[in-house]
Amino acid sequence: GAGVSQTPSNKVTEKGKYVELRCDPISGHTALYWYRQSLGQGPEFLIYFQGTGAADDSGLPNDRFFAVRPEGSVSTLKIQRTERGDSAVYLCASSPGAGAYYEQYFGPGTRLTVT
Amino acid sequence: GQNIDQPTEMTATEGAIVQINCTYQTSGFNGLFWYQQHAGEAPTFLSYNVLDGLEEKGRFSSFLSRSKGYSYLLLKELQMKDSASYLCAVRDDWDYKLSFGAGTTVTVRA
Repeated sequence: GAGVSQTPSNKVTEKGKYVELRCDPISGHTALYWYRQSLGQGPEFLIYFQGTGAADDSGLPNDRFFAVRPEGSVSTLKIQRTERGDSAVYLCASSPGAGAYYEQYFGPGTRLTVT
Repeated sequence: GQNIDQPTEMTATEGAIVQINCTYQTSGFNGLFWYQQHAGEAPTFLSYNVLDGLEEKGRFSSFLSRSKGYSYLLLKELQMKDSASYLCAVRDDWDYKLSFGAGTTVTVRA
């Protein structure tokens, strides 16, 4: 079975542009998470979905960031008016559920560079 | 807020043992995870502790003391492939998100 996949693997964009990052979770996993990892740091939580709904978006840094998961599977993280400070690796993770002990399985990430 | 501390770097010799400490102060606690991350790759799960004590899994062991807000990851019989970053993460509530430390980069020398 395939793991979590993310596309693109690398994205270079100009400041002010709009970008979309895609995550395909492991089939059957109901919980999906987005994290952001800057160089030399651990992943930082952005948003969590249980099914189609965003159960917690408290980690999104501002209203330029938005994420959707319309059919409870694939998720897209959208960033408007990108800034140089948005440059980071964006990681997606999924798990079979969200309660008790559930390991989160991470994808390889999308490296976003804003020039 | 969450505060999770771990050393930045450690170096050890092939075949030796290394212990990576992690201390945490979080608003709640529902488990501590250790992940391994090779450069440019996704974090991969190593261990999970929710009760005090030692969990052993092959060459890797993890220990937790909830009263002290302390965990360690023990890597035995080090191999060159163990050179990686090791991330301590705390689940601080009865659901989902993980709060990560900055990671400890372990370098294994021949």
